[in-house]
Amino acid sequence: AQTVTQSQPEMSVQEAETVTLSCTYDTSESNYYLFWYKQPPSRQMILVIRQEAYKQQNATENRFSVNFQKAAKSFSLKISDSQLGDTAMYFCAFWETGNQFYFGTGTSLTVIP
Amino acid sequence: KAGVTQTPRYLIKTRGQQVTLSCSPISGHRSVSWYQQTPGQGLQFLFEYFSETQRNKGNFPGRFSGRQFSNSRSEMNVSTLELGDSALYLCASSLGAGGFLAKNIQYFGAGTRLSVL
Repeated sequence: AQTVTQSQPEMSVQEAETVTLSCTYDTSESNYYLFWYKQPPSRQMILVIRQEAYKQQNATENRFSVNFQKAAKSFSLKISDSQLGDTAMYFCAFWETGNQFYFGTGTSLTVIP
Repeated sequence: KAGVTQTPRYLIKTRGQQVTLSCSPISGHRSVSWYQQTPGQGLQFLFEYFSETQRNKGNFPGRFSGRQFSNSRSEMNVSTLELGDSALYLCASSLGAGGFLAKNIQYFGAGTRLSVL
Protein backbone atom coordinates (compact mmCIF):
# COMPACT_ATOMS: atom_id res chain seq x y z
CA ALA A 1 0.00 0.00 0.00
CA GLN A 2 1.08 3.52 -0.66
CA THR A 3 2.21 5.52 2.35
CA VAL A 4 3.14 9.14 2.82
CA THR A 5 5.42 10.18 5.67
CA GLN A 6 5.97 13.66 7.03
CA SER A 7 8.58 13.40 9.75
CA GLN A 8 8.36 16.97 11.01
CA PRO A 9 5.19 17.47 13.11
CA GLU A 10 6.02 21.11 13.82
CA MET A 11 8.32 23.71 12.34
CA SER A 12 8.86 27.42 12.70
CA VAL A 13 10.56 30.03 10.56
CA GLN A 14 11.30 33.71 10.84
CA GLU A 15 9.38 35.98 8.54
CA ALA A 16 11.20 36.50 5.20
CA GLU A 17 13.35 33.41 5.73
CA THR A 18 13.23 30.15 3.81
CA VAL A 19 11.93 26.86 5.18
CA THR A 20 11.80 23.33 3.77
CA LEU A 21 9.16 20.77 4.69
CA SER A 22 9.99 17.12 4.14
CA CYS A 23 7.88 14.35 2.69
CA THR A 24 8.70 10.80 1.69
CA TYR A 25 6.41 8.25 0.12
CA ASP A 26 6.39 4.62 -0.77
CA THR A 27 5.03 3.15 -3.99
CA SER A 28 5.84 0.51 -6.54
CA GLU A 29 4.28 2.50 -9.35
CA SER A 30 6.26 4.54 -11.84
CA ASN A 31 3.65 7.10 -12.74
CA TYR A 32 1.87 9.03 -10.03
CA TYR A 33 1.24 12.52 -8.78
CA LEU A 34 2.32 14.40 -5.69
CA PHE A 35 0.75 17.40 -4.02
CA TRP A 36 1.23 19.82 -1.19
CA TYR A 37 -1.90 21.13 0.46
CA LYS A 38 -2.14 23.97 2.97
CA GLN A 39 -4.71 24.13 5.75
CA PRO A 40 -4.75 27.54 7.47
CA PRO A 41 -6.26 27.88 10.94
CA SER A 42 -9.68 28.55 9.34
CA ARG A 43 -9.48 24.90 8.14
CA GLN A 44 -10.24 25.27 4.43
CA MET A 45 -7.65 23.13 2.67
CA ILE A 46 -6.18 24.54 -0.52
CA LEU A 47 -3.76 23.18 -3.08
CA VAL A 48 -0.31 24.75 -2.98
CA ILE A 49 1.59 22.90 -5.65
CA ARG A 50 1.54 19.64 -7.61
CA GLN A 51 4.11 17.49 -9.39
CA GLU A 52 3.73 14.77 -11.98
CA ALA A 53 6.18 11.93 -11.38
CA TYR A 54 7.16 11.52 -15.01
CA LYS A 55 8.24 15.16 -15.20
CA GLN A 56 11.83 15.64 -14.05
CA GLN A 57 11.56 19.38 -13.71
CA ASN A 58 10.63 20.54 -10.23
CA ALA A 59 7.34 22.41 -9.98
CA THR A 60 7.33 26.04 -8.90
CA GLU A 61 4.49 28.33 -7.89
CA ASN A 62 5.70 31.81 -6.94
CA ARG A 63 7.41 31.46 -3.52
CA PHE A 64 6.69 27.74 -3.35
CA SER A 65 8.87 25.14 -5.02
CA VAL A 66 9.47 21.45 -4.65
CA ASN A 67 12.52 19.24 -4.67
CA PHE A 68 11.35 16.00 -6.25
CA GLN A 69 13.78 13.11 -5.94
CA LYS A 70 12.05 10.17 -7.61
CA ALA A 71 14.69 7.55 -6.87
CA ALA A 72 14.74 8.52 -3.20
CA LYS A 73 10.93 8.87 -3.16
CA SER A 74 11.26 12.28 -1.62
CA PHE A 75 9.10 15.33 -2.25
CA SER A 76 10.01 18.36 -0.15
CA LEU A 77 8.38 21.78 -0.21
CA LYS A 78 10.47 24.93 -0.03
CA ILE A 79 8.83 28.19 0.98
CA SER A 80 10.90 31.25 0.22
CA ASP A 81 10.43 34.70 1.77
CA SER A 82 8.06 33.27 4.38
CA GLN A 83 5.04 35.41 5.21
CA LEU A 84 2.75 35.42 8.23
CA GLY A 85 -0.04 34.10 6.02
CA ASP A 86 1.99 30.95 5.41
CA THR A 87 1.25 29.83 8.98
CA ALA A 88 -0.77 26.64 8.49
CA MET A 89 -0.74 22.87 8.48
CA TYR A 90 0.88 21.50 5.36
CA PHE A 91 -0.04 18.10 4.03
CA CYS A 92 1.84 16.10 1.46
CA ALA A 93 -0.37 13.88 -0.70
CA PHE A 94 0.06 11.10 -3.24
CA TRP A 95 -2.29 9.97 -6.01
CA GLU A 96 -2.16 7.50 -8.85
CA THR A 97 -4.63 6.81 -11.61
CA GLY A 98 -7.68 4.89 -10.47
CA ASN A 99 -6.72 5.10 -6.84
CA GLN A 100 -7.41 7.29 -3.87
CA PHE A 101 -5.45 10.15 -2.37
CA TYR A 102 -3.01 9.31 0.43
CA PHE A 103 -2.12 12.11 2.82
CA GLY A 104 0.69 12.46 5.30
CA THR A 105 0.08 13.39 8.93
CA GLY A 106 0.95 17.01 8.31
CA THR A 107 3.51 19.57 9.39
CA SER A 108 2.39 22.54 11.43
CA LEU A 109 4.32 25.58 10.24
CA THR A 110 4.47 28.79 12.26
CA VAL A 111 5.92 31.93 10.75
CA ILE A 112 7.35 34.15 13.46
CA PRO A 113 7.26 37.93 12.94
CA LYS B 1 -18.88 30.14 -8.28
CA ALA B 2 -19.74 28.85 -4.80
CA GLY B 3 -17.22 26.59 -3.10
CA VAL B 4 -17.74 23.25 -1.43
CA THR B 5 -20.35 23.54 1.29
CA GLN B 6 -20.52 21.21 4.26
CA THR B 7 -23.32 21.16 6.79
CA PRO B 8 -23.53 21.27 9.66
CA ARG B 9 -20.25 22.88 10.74
CA TYR B 10 -20.42 21.48 14.25
CA LEU B 11 -22.17 18.47 15.68
CA ILE B 12 -22.31 16.94 19.14
CA LYS B 13 -23.60 13.41 19.55
CA THR B 14 -23.48 10.69 22.16
CA ARG B 15 -22.18 7.18 21.82
CA GLY B 16 -24.49 4.82 20.00
CA GLN B 17 -26.25 7.54 18.06
CA GLN B 18 -26.23 7.96 14.31
CA VAL B 19 -25.19 11.03 12.33
CA THR B 20 -25.53 12.27 8.77
CA LEU B 21 -23.20 14.84 7.24
CA SER B 22 -23.89 16.67 4.02
CA CYS B 23 -21.65 17.99 1.27
CA SER B 24 -22.59 20.13 -1.71
CA PRO B 25 -19.80 20.17 -4.31
CA ILE B 26 -18.83 22.98 -6.60
CA SER B 27 -21.30 23.31 -9.45
CA GLY B 28 -20.29 20.99 -12.29
CA HIS B 29 -18.13 18.75 -10.12
CA ARG B 30 -19.13 15.11 -10.25
CA SER B 31 -16.66 13.59 -7.81
CA VAL B 32 -16.97 13.88 -4.05
CA SER B 33 -14.46 12.42 -1.61
CA TRP B 34 -14.73 12.20 2.17
CA TYR B 35 -11.89 12.27 4.68
CA GLN B 36 -11.59 11.92 8.42
CA GLN B 37 -9.03 14.23 9.99
CA THR B 38 -7.69 13.65 13.49
CA PRO B 39 -4.61 15.07 15.21
CA GLY B 40 -1.60 12.90 14.55
CA GLN B 41 -3.36 10.81 11.90
CA GLY B 42 -3.67 13.37 9.17
CA LEU B 43 -6.37 12.79 6.61
CA GLN B 44 -7.74 9.31 6.30
CA PHE B 45 -9.64 8.56 3.11
CA LEU B 46 -13.18 7.31 3.63
CA PHE B 47 -14.69 7.00 0.16
CA GLU B 48 -15.13 8.66 -3.19
CA TYR B 49 -18.29 8.94 -5.22
CA PHE B 50 -18.55 9.74 -8.88
CA SER B 51 -21.86 10.00 -10.73
CA GLU B 52 -23.72 8.37 -7.83
CA THR B 53 -21.36 5.37 -7.74
CA GLN B 54 -18.76 4.61 -5.11
CA ARG B 55 -15.46 4.59 -6.98
CA ASN B 56 -13.00 4.05 -4.13
CA LYS B 57 -13.29 3.09 -0.49
CA GLY B 58 -10.86 3.48 2.37
CA ASN B 59 -10.23 1.15 5.28
CA PHE B 60 -13.09 2.06 7.59
CA PRO B 61 -15.70 -0.18 9.23
CA GLY B 62 -19.13 -0.65 7.72
CA ARG B 63 -20.57 1.84 10.22
CA PHE B 64 -19.33 4.50 7.81
CA SER B 65 -21.38 4.76 4.66
CA GLY B 66 -22.14 7.31 2.03
CA ARG B 67 -24.13 8.08 -1.02
CA GLN B 68 -24.31 10.58 -3.83
CA PHE B 69 -27.39 12.02 -5.40
CA SER B 70 -28.08 12.85 -9.03
CA ASN B 71 -27.19 16.50 -8.40
CA SER B 72 -23.77 15.35 -7.09
CA ARG B 73 -24.56 16.30 -3.51
CA SER B 74 -23.26 13.69 -1.11
CA GLU B 75 -24.09 12.50 2.36
CA MET B 76 -22.01 10.53 4.79
CA ASN B 77 -23.57 8.48 7.54
CA VAL B 78 -21.98 7.07 10.67
CA SER B 79 -24.04 4.64 12.70
CA THR B 80 -23.50 3.49 16.28
CA LEU B 81 -21.10 6.32 17.06
CA GLU B 82 -17.99 5.62 19.11
CA LEU B 83 -15.80 8.07 21.03
CA GLY B 84 -13.05 7.50 18.47
CA ASP B 85 -15.25 8.87 15.71
CA SER B 86 -14.72 12.38 17.07
CA ALA B 87 -12.94 14.18 14.25
CA LEU B 88 -13.12 16.79 11.56
CA TYR B 89 -14.80 15.33 8.49
CA LEU B 90 -13.75 16.93 5.25
CA CYS B 91 -15.41 16.73 1.89
CA ALA B 92 -13.59 17.48 -1.35
CA SER B 93 -14.98 17.81 -4.83
CA SER B 94 -13.40 17.65 -8.24
CA LEU B 95 -14.51 17.34 -11.83
CA GLY B 96 -13.60 13.69 -11.51
CA ALA B 97 -13.21 12.87 -15.15
CA GLY B 98 -11.05 13.87 -18.04
CA GLY B 99 -7.36 14.60 -17.92
CA PHE B 100 -5.03 14.86 -14.98
CA LEU B 101 -6.02 18.35 -13.96
CA ALA B 102 -9.72 17.57 -14.00
CA LYS B 103 -9.34 14.44 -11.96
CA ASN B 104 -6.93 15.66 -9.38
CA ILE B 105 -7.64 19.21 -8.39
CA GLN B 106 -9.60 18.70 -5.22
CA TYR B 107 -11.43 21.58 -3.60
CA PHE B 108 -12.14 21.14 0.07
CA GLY B 109 -14.99 22.30 2.23
CA ALA B 110 -14.49 23.80 5.68
CA GLY B 111 -15.44 20.52 7.30
CA THR B 112 -17.86 19.26 9.92
CA ARG B 113 -16.48 18.99 13.44
CA LEU B 114 -18.08 15.95 15.08
CA SER B 115 -17.76 15.45 18.81
CA VAL B 116 -18.94 12.18 20.32
CA LEU B 117 -19.56 12.27 24.08
